[in-house]
Amino acid sequence: EIVLTQSPLYLPVIPGEPASISCRSSQSLLHSNADNRLDWYVQKAGQSPQLLIYLGSHRASGVPDRFSGSGSRTDFTLKISRVEAEDVGVYYCMQGLQTPFTFGPGTRVDIK
Amino acid sequence: QVQLVQSGSEVKKPGASVKLSCKASGYTFVSYGMHWVRQAPGERPEWMGWINPASDKTKYSHRFQGRVSITTDTSASIVYMELTSLRSADTGLYYCARASYSNYAEYWGQGTLVTVSS
Repeated sequence: EIVLTQSPLYLPVIPGEPASISCRSSQSLLHSNADNRLDWYVQKAGQSPQLLIYLGSHRASGVPDRFSGSGSRTDFTLKISRVEAEDVGVYYCMQGLQTPFTFGPGTRVDIK
Repeated sequence: QVQLVQSGSEVKKPGASVKLSCKASGYTFVSYGMHWVRQAPGERPEWMGWINPASDKTKYSHRFQGRVSITTDTSASIVYMELTSLRSADTGLYYCARASYSNYAEYWGQGTLVTVSS
């Protein structure tokens, strides 16, 4: 089973400042078709998770361009260029390469 | 627009079974797979399984040791998830989520709370 780790687990941020979350995989997530099967979700309080970034770096429909994803194989990063108050929530990475698909432990983003 | 509407909350006793539903609309039902994901209180989401409605092919997480079954009613655009031999550790929110061609969960249902308690 592929294990994902995230850091930090808690990220207090100042509105307008950048933020960055790391996700590391126990195995390469590079698919044979050259896609990295790593996605990012955010779960806001009392809501279902929402897709932010898919295949490592593709922003989902409707996601503001202050969110970006990068990385390959085992190391991935989610960046928020300028944090807004509405970005508070728990951010999860998930691997979709090999079943069982697995999620990282989550990073709680809060306003300082 | 794509909508996934899940059935209502359930309270079950240990050892019982539960069958949840997820009604899809706003897209061609057989064109996309469906994941089931559960989330225990305060925990990360956990993938349970997936079905391809076009073929009824399924994949399940070994963590559920044969207790989970995912089926479809294609005529009604509904996906079902049945979990048997319930225990208190099965308490949590259960989500259906539409799967893309490369497995990311593009749309999510609102979740169904399952409480297992004697």
